[in-house]
Amino acid sequence: AQRVTQPEKLLSVFKGAPVELKCNYSYSGSPELFWYVQYSRQRLQLLLRHISRESIKGFTADLNKGETSFHLKKPFAQEEDSAMYYCALKGRTDSWGKLQFGAGTQVVVTP
Amino acid sequence: ETGVTQSPTHLIKTRGQQVTLRCSSQSGHNTVSWYQQALGQGPQFIFQYYREEENGRGNFPPRFSGLQFPNYSSELNVNALELDDSALYLCASSSRGAGNTIYFGEGSWLTVV
Repeated sequence: AQRVTQPEKLLSVFKGAPVELKCNYSYSGSPELFWYVQYSRQRLQLLLRHISRESIKGFTADLNKGETSFHLKKPFAQEEDSAMYYCALKGRTDSWGKLQFGAGTQVVVTP
Repeated sequence: ETGVTQSPTHLIKTRGQQVTLRCSSQSGHNTVSWYQQALGQGPQFIFQYYREEENGRGNFPPRFSGLQFPNYSSELNVNALELDDSALYLCASSSRGAGNTIYFGEGSWLTVV
């Protein structure tokens, strides 16, 4: 069965420090992986996806198939990065709108 | 372009009752998905609608049903409400096709007492 695990419920970092949010998945095959973010009082929105291999707001994520991980990283955290972050997986044969989400990691960046 | 809108934003129902939640998809989007997000959990996929037909379903019982209308708006219906149905219900829309982003609404908070 496919599963997405985010082991940290809460991550507290200082402004300017590096931040890494862990995401591990289980899936037999090659999934698509995403990171979604929810800022306070805002809706859930896509941050980045592994197939784009892009950097958004300074965040990057590399898909490691050997370790089945898709960790999210940013070298220098900013206060505006405080938010809830969800890792999500889509199976290759899943219907387009079907995503499997992790439980989420709350990031708090303190000045 | 308008975003995904949902109504109502909050509602309270009694166990055993039925509820209907509504969603207007983003302009130009023809696919709608529904998710349930319990407190402290990530969203869980309920089902998806494309061209007015259910096109994928998660692990939810038949008392969770839906509709999609010709204008691509959608409804989620839940019958025989249970206390565990208390959650945030999210609607998401997209244009079908690889690489297209899924856009979420702000959700409808349902409390079952």
